Amino acid sequence: DAGVIQSPRHEVTEMGQEVTLRCKPISGHDYLFWYRQTMMRGLELLIYFNNNVPIDDSGMPEDRFSAKMPNASFSTLKIQPSEPRDSAVYFCASSLGLRGYGYTFGSGTRLTVV
Amino acid sequence: QQQVKQSPQSLIVQKGGISIINCAYENTAFDYFPWYQQFPGKGPALLIAIRPDVSEKKEGRFTISFNKSAKQFSLHIMDSQPGDSATYFCAATSSGSARQLTFGSGTQLTVLP
Repeated sequence: DAGVIQSPRHEVTEMGQEVTLRCKPISGHDYLFWYRQTMMRGLELLIYFNNNVPIDDSGMPEDRFSAKMPNASFSTLKIQPSEPRDSAVYFCASSLGLRGYGYTFGSGTRLTVV
Repeated sequence: QQQVKQSPQSLIVQKGGISIINCAYENTAFDYFPWYQQFPGKGPALLIAIRPDVSEKKEGRFTISFNKSAKQFSLHIMDSQPGDSATYFCAATSSGSARQLTFGSGTQLTVLP
């Protein structure tokens, strides 16, 4: 398996633009998580899905952030409009049910909003 | 009560030395404690994990020591190598939390050659 695949790896956008981050989880994993990593705040859980259904989005910082999982092999995190303070590395992770608690993280998307 | 406190923030060790990273937690419901290793430009990767029914788990040069009564656990890296230079995160979760991980703040380890 290729692991969790995220795209793009790097994104530079201007303030006010819409940004869409993409994630393909490991096939067969039933949980998908979106995290944000910054120097100041470390790893923050934004939202997670179970069997494509959003379970907890309490970590989403503002209404500008939205996430979808239309099927078991694809999820998006959208920021509209983007702001400089959204600059961070965004990670997607997936995991398999109750057998083995380890998450598998993707390599992340480094977002820079100028 | 969901916090996991990690120390030190950064650590410099000579090659061949022992690296020790400590974590403490408050939530007694936590029942799974993994450690993640993150190299620059990569996502965190599961390194080793422990459950509170054992006091120690060893995998190669990596050992987790767990003190349930003190609510503390630590990662020991024996014979540290320059290739171990990375950021290490401790984490914790409970079966009642829908498996959300609570991460520590991370320790940046540098092993000098």
